[in-house]
Amino acid sequence: GQNIDQPTEMTATEGAIVQINCTYQTSGFNGLFWYQQHAGEAPTFLSYNVLDGLEEKGRFSSFLSRSKGYSYLLLKELQMKDSASYLCAHYTDFNKFYFGSGTKLNVKP
Amino acid sequence: GAGVSQSPSNKVTEKGKDVELRCDPISGHTALYWYRQRLGQGLEFLIYFQGNSAPDKSGLPSDRFSAERTGESVSTLTIQRTQQEDSAVYLCASSTSGSGFEQFFGPGTRLTVL
Repeated sequence: GQNIDQPTEMTATEGAIVQINCTYQTSGFNGLFWYQQHAGEAPTFLSYNVLDGLEEKGRFSSFLSRSKGYSYLLLKELQMKDSASYLCAHYTDFNKFYFGSGTKLNVKP
Repeated sequence: GAGVSQSPSNKVTEKGKDVELRCDPISGHTALYWYRQRLGQGLEFLIYFQGNSAPDKSGLPSDRFSAERTGESVSTLTIQRTQQEDSAVYLCASSTSGSGFEQFFGPGTRLTVL
């Protein structure tokens, strides 16, 4: 694998901001993806970073530092429906995706 | 348009039996991936097809696992002599290209080996 590390579980309050971190082994890097997966459902695409910096898409933003092998997903104005697992995936130059184990986010009222 | 479909949605089988899982990708998507997801875990890469190129089978856990794809359409994942540790959700995803484009996932097949 590519040593994808992300926290197992996080809890945050509705309306708050939460940051989910992901670190990966930098060899063969070609992009960093974030997916959302609700319990019992398939993952759905959230964001893709290939260059350093912040990509903003509405309430969700994703940041990448290639030199540090580090990314985070930032969720603003949390809603109850944001309770899900968030998967970090390292895309390599061999067209493979290596997924982390996912971070289960619990949003409380 | 239609998304990625997989069948069956659920499969219960006895240890030692063979199973075949099917994936219909989005029309026009040249890249197709199979993943395995055990309960509470991330996605484990199994195999990757890109157009008519030889598939990347490096993620298949044993020689009991095999997969085929007919051109750029349907793919089947076959597990022979199933074991209890094969119990998982098997997810298929397709994309327009292997070059980092967004993957669209099917709903998965939940396999239970008794």
